[in-house]
Amino acid sequence: GEDVEQSLFLSVREGDSSVINCTYTDSSSTYLYWYKQEPGAGLQLLTYIFSNMDMKQDQRLTVLLNKKDKHLSLRIADTQTGDSAIYFCAESGYWTALIFGKGTTLSVSS
Amino acid sequence: DAGVIQSPRHEVTEMGQEVTLRCKPISGHNSLFWYRQTMMRGLELLIYFNNNVPIDDSGMPEDRFSAKMPNASFSTLKIQPSEPRDSAVYFCASSPPREGRTYEQYFGPGTRLTVT
Repeated sequence: GEDVEQSLFLSVREGDSSVINCTYTDSSSTYLYWYKQEPGAGLQLLTYIFSNMDMKQDQRLTVLLNKKDKHLSLRIADTQTGDSAIYFCAESGYWTALIFGKGTTLSVSS
Repeated sequence: DAGVIQSPRHEVTEMGQEVTLRCKPISGHNSLFWYRQTMMRGLELLIYFNNNVPIDDSGMPEDRFSAKMPNASFSTLKIQPSEPRDSAVYFCASSPPREGRTYEQYFGPGTRLTVT
């Protein structure tokens, strides 16, 4: 079945760039997403990319998609302590619900 | 808009008791999702509804779990009888009509369930 894999932890210093990686197995994925979960809260959609795109930029966030390798990444420029959270990668087909990865815990130290 | 509302926020119960979790989706949204989050298994989709009809319940762990959506503004997830391994955070999410696309799921704050 479909699967989404992420590394579990990433630690960076404030001001550095963070890159969170994700791989997925479903070649029919239509949309790929990044969600953010802060402590004690639900998931919040950060950004998404359609599968026919290679890159999407939104302020400090850059999403890169390599469809051939089924690899998705989220780059956060100028990482701040407020960016500390769990980041989830997810994929879906056109008519299917989201499949989430297990999440990457980003720790930002000052 | 108040967002997705879940109640209770915390629930502590004894093994064998019935537990009912409640969700009010965002007004105008026509898809509703129930997820369970644990450290070991991450975020799992339990069931989702479209226009109040269950579409996929393959994630429901066993017959002890049941979900209903009697109308567009309310859903319940029931566990009967509850077991310690059901301890988790349960999230409800809703999404607006998108002709099948399911992005922009809006999550509630979750219900933390502890079964002793």
